Amino acid sequence: KQEVTQIPAALSVPEGENLVLNCSFTDSAIYNLQWFRQDPGKGLTSLLLIQSSQREQTSGRLNASLDKSSGRSTLYIAASQPGDSATYLCAVPNYGQNFVFGPGTRLSVLP
Amino acid sequence: EAGVVQSPRYKIIEKKQPVAFWCNPISGHNTLYWYLQNLGQGPELLIRYENEEAVDDSQLPKDRFSAERLKGVDSTLKIQPAELGDSAVYLCASSQRQGLEAFFGQGTRLTVV
Repeated sequence: KQEVTQIPAALSVPEGENLVLNCSFTDSAIYNLQWFRQDPGKGLTSLLLIQSSQREQTSGRLNASLDKSSGRSTLYIAASQPGDSATYLCAVPNYGQNFVFGPGTRLSVLP
Repeated sequence: EAGVVQSPRYKIIEKKQPVAFWCNPISGHNTLYWYLQNLGQGPELLIRYENEEAVDDSQLPKDRFSAERLKGVDSTLKIQPAELGDSAVYLCASSQRQGLEAFFGQGTRLTVV
């Protein structure tokens, strides 16, 4: 059974800092991994999708990497802004299964 | 292109009453998911549809929950009767097919009192 964990559970940083969010999964037989953002009281917004054949994916100030062999993915946020404050979730689908989500990292970027 | 649309956004009902949620996925997306999200936790799958077929409903509490996806497009999720512990956010998502990039709706926040 796939299990996904995220570290840290919460993070508070001053504006402008670069930061890294971590996601770990137990079953490396995945074919992609997706990072989402969730604002309070809102649904999930897809940020990045990394295929298993890729090592990283970039979108603006976001960069996500994937290391299947070690069961890890990181989301790097450059030059953080107060508008980046949200909960960040990673999700992993397996063959024949469904998206399994981590508990999320709650990020606060202070002005 | 419109995203995944859910309604209502909020619902407050008394326990033992029925409630229904509606989801319209992105056009052309064959796979539809219903997820349950409790406060401070990640979403958990309730049911997945491939077109009109429910291919994974193993986590759906079938004594009180039911779902349908007639014609393989819109979907409804129903709870009857609702219990206090059902208070949560119900999220609908769709993807072109199973396992590909998923897109979520805004969710329905249910409060059972």
